[in-house]
Amino acid sequence: KAGVTQTPRYLIKTRGQQVTLSCSPISGHRSVSWYQQTPGQGLQFLFEYFSETQRNKGNFPGRFSGRQFSNSRSEMNVSTLELGDSALYLCASSLDMAREAFFGQGTRLTVV
Amino acid sequence: SQQGEEDPQALSIQEGENATMNCSYKTSINNLQWYRQNSGRGLVHLILIRSNEREKHSGRLRVTLDTSKKSSSLLITASRAADTASYFCATGASGGYQKVTFGTGTKLQVIP
Repeated sequence: KAGVTQTPRYLIKTRGQQVTLSCSPISGHRSVSWYQQTPGQGLQFLFEYFSETQRNKGNFPGRFSGRQFSNSRSEMNVSTLELGDSALYLCASSLDMAREAFFGQGTRLTVV
Repeated sequence: SQQGEEDPQALSIQEGENATMNCSYKTSINNLQWYRQNSGRGLVHLILIRSNEREKHSGRLRVTLDTSKKSSSLLITASRAADTASYFCATGASGGYQKVTFGTGTKLQVIP
């Protein structure tokens, strides 16, 4: 069974631009969560989707948004990028919201 | 803010020794999970312990959970150089929806 796939792996963007990151969960998993990891803040929860609905949201500004499609694939979008958005963005999928989460390798976003 | 707090923040041991990491959390939980992260990469799920369990084993790993003290410990026995990584505890919240919240991590270095 293929693991969680995140694309792209690396991304360099300029301040003010927007970016879309993609996550394909493990086949059969319906819950997808997104996290931001930075050296200063550690792992911060962004949001969680289940059956195309956002179930939980972390404490991030509205510039961060996401969605989940009917095939459980998920995308997150960051608009008006700031230097502080440079981070490793991790996606995790689980069978449902009470089970262990399996992580992708992450997308490393650098904002210059 | 982080739900879990790992202790110690960093640990350096010789190969063959045991490593113990602790995690404390603040609110009631549905389950607690431990993850490993090798430098700059995705998280690998190690073990999940449910709130009604007190101890769980998986290979060289032993996890305990004390819900009365809101704490958990991860013991890695007979450590190997390949165990060098950051270790995170993550709590799954009680209630209808799961929101996994990560601690700050323990950086383990195993010296060959």
